[in-house]
Amino acid sequence: DGGITQSPKYLFRKEGQNVTLSCEQNLNHDAMYWYRQDPGQGLRLIYYSQIVNDFQKGDIAEGYSVSREKKESFPLTVTSAQKNPTAFYLCASSIVGGSGEQYFGPGTRLTVT
Amino acid sequence: AQTVTQSQPEMSVQEAETVTLSCTYDTSESDYYLFWYKQPPSRQMILVIRQEAYKQQNATENRFSVNFQKAAKSFSLKISDSQLGDAAMYFCAYRSALDGANSKLTFGKGITLSVRP
Repeated sequence: DGGITQSPKYLFRKEGQNVTLSCEQNLNHDAMYWYRQDPGQGLRLIYYSQIVNDFQKGDIAEGYSVSREKKESFPLTVTSAQKNPTAFYLCASSIVGGSGEQYFGPGTRLTVT
Repeated sequence: AQTVTQSQPEMSVQEAETVTLSCTYDTSESDYYLFWYKQPPSRQMILVIRQEAYKQQNATENRFSVNFQKAAKSFSLKISDSQLGDAAMYFCAYRSALDGANSKLTFGKGITLSVRP
C-alpha cells in the first residue's frame, strides 16, 4: 500500500533534549512538508522540500531543522531552541506542479516536559 | 501573500440534514487550486475535494460539493445527508498555480463540525 508513515505516534522528551521525528513516503512524491498543529491555530508550515538535498523554511522554522538525503524520507529535528515544542506534528507529501494536493501521514504527538 | 479565512470556528448539523461550511480567501492571482480537508478525531488529514480555479463547474464528490464563487473569492463546502462519521475538523486550503510556484498550501484555521444523532 502506498502512503506516508510517521513514527512514533506519541513521543515524550525532557526539556533541553533534541528529538527527531520520522517521516517516510512510498508515493514517489518529490515534495515533502512538515506542519505543526496547535489548538485553534490550524496547520502551520515548518519546512518543506521539493527535491532531494534541498529544503526551504516555512512560516515557523525557528528551533527546527530538517534533512532530505533521500526522496522517501524527510526527518524533522526539534531542537532545544524551540521554545514551545509540545504539539502535534504532521508530515505530508505531494507531486510538484499540477494541482499539488498534499497527502498526510498519521502525525506524531510530541510532549516535552 | 495569500490568506484563507474560515470565520466560523464551530458548526453543528442534525444527522441526515445538509450543512454548508464557509471559506473565503484573498489572492491577486487568477489561476490556483482550492481544497477541503477533513481531520476526524483520529487526526488523520483526509482530502475531501479539490477545485481548479479555471473550471466554472463546481466540484462534487458523492455527498460533498462546493460552491466556488471566484469573483467573491468564496469556496464553501456543502455536506448533504450528514452522517455521524462526518464529525470532524474541516480545513480549507489554497495553492497557487503559477508557473514555477512552489507546492505550498495555505490553510485556514479550520472549523469543527459536530453531527447530532
